[in-house]
Amino acid sequence: GQNIDQPTEMTATEGAIVQINCTYQTSGFNGLFWYQQHAGEAPTFLSYNVLDGLEEKGRFSSFLSRSKGYSYLLLKELQMKDSASYLCAVLDSNYQLIWGAGTKLIIKP
Amino acid sequence: NAGVTQTPKFRILKIGQSMTLQCTQDMNHNYMYWYRQDPGMGLKLIYYSVGAGITDKGEVPNGYNVSRSTTEDFPLRLELAAPSQTSVYFCASSPGTGYTGELFFGEGSRLTVL
Repeated sequence: GQNIDQPTEMTATEGAIVQINCTYQTSGFNGLFWYQQHAGEAPTFLSYNVLDGLEEKGRFSSFLSRSKGYSYLLLKELQMKDSASYLCAVLDSNYQLIWGAGTKLIIKP
Repeated sequence: NAGVTQTPKFRILKIGQSMTLQCTQDMNHNYMYWYRQDPGMGLKLIYYSVGAGITDKGEVPNGYNVSRSTTEDFPLRLELAAPSQTSVYFCASSPGTGYTGELFFGEGSRLTVL
């Protein structure tokens, strides 16, 4: 079966750095997405990785290792507004998105 | 730009009732999707469409139906509502799959079946 694993919840301090991990086992691979979802709102796109390596976008970076079935989202200089759930999703061989359950990130002052 | 618009935002149904969740996008996207999101679970694909007149089942289609008569509209029909259909429903669109597979989501419709 297809499976995406993320930690359920993480806590970090304002101004710090946090890394949210995602491991996947899917039927094929055509890319990995990270989305941010604030409570009660819709998911919004953060990043897309299809090749191994690090993609940096401002305070957010996303890393992919296809051989290990592993990705992480790195958030720097954490702000209170970063409190949200972070969803990892993989585009499988049928170009269907398989979603993880999300990681709820709590930022403390 | 309005993006993806869903209505209603909240609805309470009695068991056995039927209803339609409306979804409209103004980005001229070919691909449209309906997902449901339950607490502690990943988004589950109900139905999707790759263009007007074409629809296909996703992972959890039972109890639902869709139509796509225009590029803009992709309504989701719930027939004979059941408590298991209590969930938050998201409509989404994208210009395509692959690299252009970034999804644009509506604000969600919270449905409770009692």
